[in-house]
This record gives sequence, C-alpha cells and structure tokens, in this order.
Amino acid sequence: QVQLQESGPGLMKPSETLSLTCVVSGDSISSPYWWSWVRQPPGKGLEWIGESYFFGSTNYKPSLRSRVTISVDKSKNQFSLKLTSVTAADTAVYYCARGIRGGRPFDVWGQGTMVTVSS
Amino acid sequence: EVVLTQSPGTLSLSPGERATLSCRSSQSVSSSYLTWYQQKPGQPPRLLIYGTSSRATGIPDRFSGSGSGTEFTLTISRLEPEDFVVYYCQQYGNSFISFGQGTRLEIK
Repeated sequence: QVQLQESGPGLMKPSETLSLTCVVSGDSISSPYWWSWVRQPPGKGLEWIGESYFFGSTNYKPSLRSRVTISVDKSKNQFSLKLTSVTAADTAVYYCARGIRGGRPFDVWGQGTMVTVSS
Repeated sequence: EVVLTQSPGTLSLSPGERATLSCRSSQSVSSSYLTWYQQKPGQPPRLLIYGTSSRATGIPDRFSGSGSGTEFTLTISRLEPEDFVVYYCQQYGNSFISFGQGTRLEIK
C-alpha cells in the first residue's frame, strides 16, 4: 500500500522560506507518476502548486512559479517543496499527492501538514 | 489558465435523493483529463471519478460522472448520510492543473 507523509515547520515568519518534504513508502519515486503539492487555506478550496516527474521535469502554477521549487530525491525516495518569501496568504494545509500520467488524477494523498505564517 | 466553476456552491438534499453537481470550464477540457474528488472534514481529498466517467477503486456505483467540452457533471444516484461533504472537480491541460472551488452537499 502506497503512503505519503509530509513533514514541515508548522509555524513560520513572513519572508522566510518554507521547506516541506514528502516521504514515499510502498512505491518507488522513480515509478512513472507525477509527484505534486496541493494546498488548502483554512476553510477554503484546493490549490495546485506544482509537480515533478522522477527524472526532474517540473511544472508550476504560473502565479507561484517565481517562488516555488519542487525536487525529487531518489536516494531517499522523497520529494520536496520550497516556497520563498512566504506571507500570511501562504497559510494552509499542504498536501503531497501522486498524480497518474495523463490527466493527473491524484490517487494517493498524504494526510497534510498545517503551515501557519505569522509574525 | 483554465478556470473551473462549480455549481451550486451548496446543495441541500435529503438522504435517498439524487444529487447533480456541475463543473463548468472556461476552456474545453479533454474528457480524459477531468477528475472528481470527495473531501470529508479533516481528511485529504479522495479520488472518486477520473477520465470524466471512470470510477476509482472502491467507489460505489451510485457515483457517476458525465460530460464533455466545457460542461461536466457528477451524479450521486441515492444519497447516503456519509455523502454530505464537499466535492471538487479538477482538470489537467497544457502542463497546468486547476481545481473548482467546490460544492458542499448538506442535509436538508
């Protein structure tokens, strides 16, 4: 059974860089899937942040592209998100998810990690 | 960017009734690339329907999807108490993924 587990800082200050990691178990990160990050502000809907394929190809949401980097670490079977210059608007539950090639239906999700940006 | 608009925002029905949820796209979406999720409070989304009409593993057959082009529909034939949660549609196209804003199903 494939499982994803996010980890991150929890609480951050404005202007800092958010770093999140998603550990993949039960599958190889080199399998033919796209590995994505999705976030959900409290009480609001889902927002796709970006994705990475195992060999390094990436796609990002245009409005976040200048601040986002998603990378895959095959040696640790995990992938990561870096988001620079965070503000209160980046406060959200961050999910990692596995996307199937083609239409990217996300068939496996992590439980999510809450990130709060506050001074 | 493709914008997905879901309607209604909230749908009030009773258990046993039929629910019809709409997802409208600002541009044509490939039928292969339209997905539906269910999200319960405090949980990640759960994949329901992919490729417009294919049910994911373990999804009951009371859930069905249809549509094409810019108009897509999720139908729940007979509502069970556990179905009264939030539903999202999602599309993929040109290396970009977007979600609708969600429809909340509430007990009338």
